[in-house]
Amino acid sequence: GENVEQHPSTLSVQEGDSAVIKCTYSDSASNYFPWYKQELGKRPQLIIDIRSNVGEKKDQRIAVTLNKTAKHFSLHITETQPEDSAVYFCAARTKTSYDKVIFGPGTSLSVIP
Amino acid sequence: DTGVSQDPRHKITKRGQNVTFRCDPISEHNRLYWYRQTLGQGPEFLTYFQNEAQLEKSRLLSDRFSAERPKGSFSTLEIQRTEQGDSAMYLCASSFSSVSTDTQYFGPGTRLTVL
Repeated sequence: GENVEQHPSTLSVQEGDSAVIKCTYSDSASNYFPWYKQELGKRPQLIIDIRSNVGEKKDQRIAVTLNKTAKHFSLHITETQPEDSAVYFCAARTKTSYDKVIFGPGTSLSVIP
Repeated sequence: DTGVSQDPRHKITKRGQNVTFRCDPISEHNRLYWYRQTLGQGPEFLTYFQNEAQLEKSRLLSDRFSAERPKGSFSTLEIQRTEQGDSAMYLCASSFSSVSTDTQYFGPGTRLTVL
């Protein structure tokens, strides 16, 4: 079935350093890839997304890259700040049967002041 | 507040009881999703609706779970004969789905504890 894998499961960085989270997906027909941030006790919130006709998208300190051939996409956070500490989920919209969004297992990011 | 809302926010029940949760999506959204999330895991897909039609239900979902969206607006998720393994956060999300996007907005969730 459809699957989204995510690495690493935990990530600790010093404030000001960069953080990279990588995901792979199984459905080659997937065309939409959102990233969500979930702070402790709160709902997941969309931080950035990318469509399959684009290779890279940037929004201030956050960027996402997509490699359709390899079926992987990555989240890059530069100049990390303590408030970036949260769990990050990647997701892919699968087109198998009825289309739906499948989430990865999450990466817990800790930014050390 | 025009975001997605869920009720109740917390539910404690005894094993074997039935529970029902409600989700009110963003008004112009045509899709409504239900997910289950346990600690340290990503949202696990349960089922979703396009308007009032239930398009897919997870193969992992027991027959004890049922969902409705009678008028294409709010939705209810019912769990019958609850088990301790049903304890989790139940998240609802809505979206306006198009060919190239399906940006989902999540509600605050209903935390279920089965004793």
